[in-house]
Amino acid sequence: GQNIDQPTEMTATEGAIVQINCTYQTSGFNGLFWYQQHAGEAPTFLSYNVLDGLEEKGRFSSFLSRSKGYSYLLLKELQMKDSASYLCAVLDSNYQLIWGAGTKLIIKP
Amino acid sequence: GAVVSQHPSRVICKSGTSVKIECRSLDFQATTMFWYRQFPKQSLMLMATSNEGSKATYEQGVEKDKFLINHASLTLSTLTVTSAHPEDSSFYICSAQTGTDNSPLHFGNGTRLTVT
Repeated sequence: GQNIDQPTEMTATEGAIVQINCTYQTSGFNGLFWYQQHAGEAPTFLSYNVLDGLEEKGRFSSFLSRSKGYSYLLLKELQMKDSASYLCAVLDSNYQLIWGAGTKLIIKP
Repeated sequence: GAVVSQHPSRVICKSGTSVKIECRSLDFQATTMFWYRQFPKQSLMLMATSNEGSKATYEQGVEKDKFLINHASLTLSTLTVTSAHPEDSSFYICSAQTGTDNSPLHFGNGTRLTVT
């Protein structure tokens, strides 16, 4: 079966750095997305990785290792507004999006 | 760019009535739109994939006669929840792709449906 694993919840301190991991087992791979979702709101797109390596976009970076079935989202200089759920999603061989359950990130002052 | 507008944002209806939710791509043409529902503290569950001008493809377990999807134009898709029941109360979210299969999804703001 297809599976996306990410931690249920993480806590970090304002100003610090946090890494949210995602591992996947899917039938084929056509890319991995990270989305941010604030409580009661729809998700917003953060990043897309299809090749191995690190993609940096401001305070957020996303890393992919296809051979390991592994990705992480790195958030630097954490702000209170970064408190949200972070969803990992993989595009399988049929271009179907397989969603992780999301990681709830709690930022403490 | 890539704005998706979903309306209404909140709706309360009585059991047995029908509710229509609209999803519009404001500044791009969306050949494919997706409809999700999300229960509290759970991830998105794909309900159906909607292609302009053709019948929607429903996920297993989703009743196509209950959740009517129409995608009549490249900028508008609608989801109608027919004969709503309290168990249909959920957060419904649409999304659209701007281009190819691996282009990111852009989401509407979601509709909070409460059936009393």
